[in-house]
Amino acid sequence: DSGVTQTPKHLITATGQRVTLRCSPRSGDLSVYWYQQSLDQGLQFLIQYYNGEERAKGNILERFSAQQFPDLHSELNLSSLELGDSALYFCASSVGGSAINEQFFGPGTRLTVL
Amino acid sequence: GENVEQHPSTLSVQEGDSAVIKCTYSDSASNYFPWYKQELGKRPQLIIDIRSNVGEKKDQRIAVTLNKTAKHFSLHITETQPEDSAVYFCAASSYAGNMLTFGGGTRLMVKP
Repeated sequence: DSGVTQTPKHLITATGQRVTLRCSPRSGDLSVYWYQQSLDQGLQFLIQYYNGEERAKGNILERFSAQQFPDLHSELNLSSLELGDSALYFCASSVGGSAINEQFFGPGTRLTVL
Repeated sequence: GENVEQHPSTLSVQEGDSAVIKCTYSDSASNYFPWYKQELGKRPQLIIDIRSNVGEKKDQRIAVTLNKTAKHFSLHITETQPEDSAVYFCAASSYAGNMLTFGGGTRLMVKP
């Protein structure tokens, strides 16, 4: 157990809908990273927050957005969902804001868009 | 931006043999290179990392080598065991960078 929690574990929804994924980082970690892992593909970095502020942005679609709250938990919002958005979404947390700090991954949320 | 390529995409070895996975990166400013292991249905976990001021690092049966001139780094697993079966991801980042760029992954299968 990495200490990072994600809810829900599974999510099944329809095209065009909007969903929110939640992540709670390890105690003491200030950074939260979001990744997308499609079937048989690698980890695609989406976005990073550090202590409430957006720190880095990767290949995140405009339909997706995220935020980090004062208690440091983070939410990833996915809207106007398409079939291709079906994937495993991981969040990871680390102590510092730089990617050289070890990232601890949560168990992931499996999103299925029908 | 950074681009990381990883080879092979699948690797099958006999228990007890060695396994080598190679990655190349494009950004010469990258100087932090972690390796993650992801077992089936589980989260990625860091198994070893190397920074640019070091050419090789070992931890029991695993080792990582780095060639900054050629911009490639490799993961070596010796005396493989069935529990080493997993997908392995390499990644690269610069010290000033806030993001890791991952390779496409290598599915390692260790046959008993």
